[in-house]
Amino acid sequence: GENVEQHPSTLSVQEGDSAVIKCTYSDSASNYFPWYKQELGKRPQLIIDIRSNVGEKKDQRIAVTLNKTAKHFSLHITETQPEDSAVYFCAATPQGKLIFGQGTTLQVKP
Amino acid sequence: GAVVSQHPSWVICKSGTSVKIECRSLDFQATTMFWYRQFPKQSLMLMATSNEGSKATYEQGVEKDKFLINHASLTLSTLTVTSAHPEDSSFYICSAKVRGPNTEAFFGQGTRLTVV
Repeated sequence: GENVEQHPSTLSVQEGDSAVIKCTYSDSASNYFPWYKQELGKRPQLIIDIRSNVGEKKDQRIAVTLNKTAKHFSLHITETQPEDSAVYFCAATPQGKLIFGQGTTLQVKP
Repeated sequence: GAVVSQHPSWVICKSGTSVKIECRSLDFQATTMFWYRQFPKQSLMLMATSNEGSKATYEQGVEKDKFLINHASLTLSTLTVTSAHPEDSSFYICSAKVRGPNTEAFFGQGTRLTVV
């Protein structure tokens, strides 16, 4: 089955710095890659997604890149703020499923 | 975004009893629903994928007779934990989406199940 690997598991940055989270997937049938943010005790919320016909997508301070050949995709957050602190999950969508990576706990220090 | 409502938010039950969790899409027709289990500080582990009108597809290692999933309508899916045991205690969360491979999935608020 699909295996989604996410790194790093924890990431601590200073406010204003950039944060990068990387994921790899195994099933080439995946063609939709969402990223979710989950704050403590809350439900996951979609922050950005990318489809396989696109290599990069940007939404204000958040960007995602996709390399289908290498089967990896990354989340980039620029000018980080304390409110960006949360757990971030990448996901892949093989065979109609939604499979998540292990998650990255991002801490932005003021 | 669309709203997915999950009920109850938390439940405590005795060992050996069954518990039903409901997941409703309030403002869209959810042709596909996912059920996840999330342990503290861990990822969302997919338990099963449910398409309206069809039997759920369970992930490897998930007992379909223990975790009964019903998706009888386009707005409601239920997960029943049968003969619950303390090791079933966890956070269960559902997600719903419309038909199509590249559409956003919306999450319920989750259910904290404690089996005593």
